[in-house]
Amino acid sequence: EPEVTQTPSHQVTQMGQEVILRCVPISNHLYFYWYRQILGQKVEFLVSFYNNEISEKSEIFDDQFSVERPDGSNFTLKIRSTKLEDSAMYFCASSEVGHTFGSGTRLTVV
Amino acid sequence: GQQVMQIPQYQHVQEGEDFTTYCNSSTTLSNIQWYKQRPGGHPVFLIQLVKSGEVKKQKRLTFQFGEAKKNSSLHITATQTTDVGTYFCAGTYNFNKFYFGSGTKLNVKP
Repeated sequence: EPEVTQTPSHQVTQMGQEVILRCVPISNHLYFYWYRQILGQKVEFLVSFYNNEISEKSEIFDDQFSVERPDGSNFTLKIRSTKLEDSAMYFCASSEVGHTFGSGTRLTVV
Repeated sequence: GQQVMQIPQYQHVQEGEDFTTYCNSSTTLSNIQWYKQRPGGHPVFLIQLVKSGEVKKQKRLTFQFGEAKKNSSLHITATQTTDVGTYFCAGTYNFNKFYFGSGTKLNVKP
């Protein structure tokens, strides 16, 4: 069964540093998403991406965040100048009907 | 703002008992999806409901979408220990942005 692949599985970074989270969506899916989930809390929408551009973004997705699809297969989330409160699990998903989620990247900002 | 409310937050049942979780939106949804997340795992898509009053079944799971497309429920008949996890609904108003409920954590005692 096709999978969404996310790397790295864990990332520890110092406050103020930039991180890039990577995702390889399912190849024939057209919609891509980034979500985050703070431990024990709900899944929060960050941004959706369709036809190589952002289709919708949440209030959380401010200038600190950016997404790219640099080579037609990878889908990246860049977080600049990380803060302690950015520590969370970040999930990528691609969609045909329902979302297929990757296994997530656990980001810890210290 | 737009959001999807979900209750209860926790449910502890004895194996064999039934379980229901409810989601409610203040405005009409385009569709609603249901996901299951096992501890330490990622959300896994269960089903999508699109039509007013729609009812769908998957073995012991019954999903309903209200007539006004503002509420939805997931009912599990005769729970098993394999049903343990957190069940999330995710509603959308425009297919680009999904609002996840806060989840219902189900614990099943053998």
